[in-house]
Amino acid sequence: EAQVTQNPRYLITVTGKKLTVTCSQNMNHEYMSWYRQDPGLGLRQIYYSMNVEVTDKGDVPEGYKVSRKEKRNFPLILESPSPNQTSLYFCASSRTGYGYTFGSGTRLTVV
Amino acid sequence: AQKVTQAQTEISVVEKEDVTLDCVYETRDTTYYLFWYKQPPSGELVFLIRRNSFDEQNEISGRYSWNFQKSTSSFNFTITASQVVDSAVYFCALSEVGDSSYKLIFGSGTRLLVRP
Repeated sequence: EAQVTQNPRYLITVTGKKLTVTCSQNMNHEYMSWYRQDPGLGLRQIYYSMNVEVTDKGDVPEGYKVSRKEKRNFPLILESPSPNQTSLYFCASSRTGYGYTFGSGTRLTVV
Repeated sequence: AQKVTQAQTEISVVEKEDVTLDCVYETRDTTYYLFWYKQPPSGELVFLIRRNSFDEQNEISGRYSWNFQKSTSSFNFTITASQVVDSAVYFCALSEVGDSSYKLIFGSGTRLLVRP
């Protein structure tokens, strides 16, 4: 089944403890992206990638890192999470860059 | 600047009613894509449709239909004979071909509640 898989689905962590949210797609898509969804602010792009080793900042990249060492994987790294990074995170992939398949989301709480 | 407006924050209907969700967009690009996504209570984002700016044909898929009107910059979504399972938040989104970030610009969403 064609899908984008994110893990974990839910995560509660403490301020400053590094964490990684994994994202993997099995559709051989070149384009991948991370979004966060917050009440009142909607969905905003954090980082995107157009291919292996090609990544760039989206609209809200502060406090996040990404890497794209393989085509299928696009992990989101929070080196020192803070409470304002509590959010619902989505990974997405696309063949063309226009129209994305989204993962199921990761609900992160930073206390 | 690019923007997507979904003026209806919440709509409540009784099952079997038809309902239309409005979407108005702003863009300076002549080439762009429009989308609708569904977010059910479980939280995932489900792709419903993609439309490019050169294709103004309306589309129907089962109980769902979409009306794209470039003249009014609107891309409205109608659910015919609504069902309880249609209860979700629906997002309209825009992607500009001239944007090298390939990002989706989302509207704020319309929460649809279908009551039995």
